[in-house]
Amino acid sequence: AQSVAQPEDQVNVAEGNPLTVKCTYSVSGNPYLFWYVQYPNRGLQFLLKYITGDNLVKGSYGFEAEFNKSQTSFHLKKPSALVSDSALYFCAVLEGGSYIPTFGRGTSLIVHP
Amino acid sequence: GAVVSQHPSRVICKSGTSVKIECRSLDFQATTMFWYRQFPKQSLMLMATSNEGSKATYEQGVEKDKFLINHASLTLSTLTVTSAHPEDSSFYICSASEISGGQYNEQFFGPGTRLTVL
Repeated sequence: AQSVAQPEDQVNVAEGNPLTVKCTYSVSGNPYLFWYVQYPNRGLQFLLKYITGDNLVKGSYGFEAEFNKSQTSFHLKKPSALVSDSALYFCAVLEGGSYIPTFGRGTSLIVHP
Repeated sequence: GAVVSQHPSRVICKSGTSVKIECRSLDFQATTMFWYRQFPKQSLMLMATSNEGSKATYEQGVEKDKFLINHASLTLSTLTVTSAHPEDSSFYICSASEISGGQYNEQFFGPGTRLTVL
């Protein structure tokens, strides 16, 4: 069975500082991993994904994530946060052979001016 | 990325009426569509998945007779909330994905529908 955990309900960071939003997963076999962002009263937008290949994945809006198999993690990162990055971020995992991903509970990112 | 539209964006209805929400993939053929419900400051709750031309698969606890899902074509799925009650008030979000070559691709989400039942 597949599962994903986002251990932080909220992350606060000052504008210009690096940010990290954590995600850990559990699957049988190789994972497909995704990050999505949701702005207030909107649907989710795809940010990036890891399927195979390079462990460091670059995505939209300057975000990147690193797949770490030994730690079963896929943390989302950005070198310099913007106030406009404030939103709800969801990590999702899918194990091979499945087509229904499991979403984390979401992490609210708040970037202070 | 691919675009998924959802209509209406907001609906207010009286208790006992039915509401239909449409989800369309505008520039790709959606092999699978998903319907989610989201409560304030909470994660997505998957209600059902649907594949074109077949019956939807509902998650445990979701009443299939209350939440009717139709996936008539590769670009359109509808969710009908029948005999809506105030407890059905929520934010409903659809998403679509294309499975090609046996590989799952990322989901593309609609903008959501805010349903308020008076």
